[in-house]
Amino acid sequence: AQSVTQPDIHITVSEGASLELRCNYSYGATPYLFWYVQSPGQGLQLLLKYFSGDTLVQGIKGFEAEFKRSQSSFNLRKPSVHWSDAAEYFCAVGAQNNDMRFGAGTRLTVKP
Amino acid sequence: GAVVSQHPSRVICKSGTSVKIECRSLDFQATTMFWYRQFPKKSLMLMATSNEGSKATYEQGVEKDKFLINHASLTLSTLTVTSAHPEDSSFYICSATNAGYTEAFFGQGTRLTVV
Repeated sequence: AQSVTQPDIHITVSEGASLELRCNYSYGATPYLFWYVQSPGQGLQLLLKYFSGDTLVQGIKGFEAEFKRSQSSFNLRKPSVHWSDAAEYFCAVGAQNNDMRFGAGTRLTVKP
Repeated sequence: GAVVSQHPSRVICKSGTSVKIECRSLDFQATTMFWYRQFPKKSLMLMATSNEGSKATYEQGVEKDKFLINHASLTLSTLTVTSAHPEDSSFYICSATNAGYTEAFFGQGTRLTVV
């Protein structure tokens, strides 16, 4: 079965600084990879997804992620963080039957 | 993107009672729905997968008789927490997909508090 590891439980960055959230996956075939954001008490919002093709994926809110098969990684990046980006971020890997497994999440705090 | 509506968003119930949570796909036919549970400051744990018209497949450690899942139509799945106890208090989230999609769409979640 597929699995996801998000090594960083909590990250703090200053507003305007760049951001990278790490995600490593384990899956035997070509994975479907996702990044979601969750604000407190809310559902999940899809930031971006990778199925195939260009390994650099652009998402909403200025986020991007790069799929690196050799490293089994799908790290999320943003060049300049805004205070409104403070939230919980989840990486997920899906199989063809759409059974999606989530990482433990990374909580992002943005300092003024 | 497709819309999945989950109701209620919050519910408080007394210990020993049952609570039903609905998950509806509003603009597509959901052949498969997933139910997740999220503990405070924790990730989403898959509870079960339900396919329309058939019995749900539960993940290991999830009590089938405790968490009843029904997926009777292509637009509705329900999760009933039976004889709820305080330890069942959690955030429950559903997602839905159909054969034509390569991603799942999530509901807004339901905050269940058992007192």
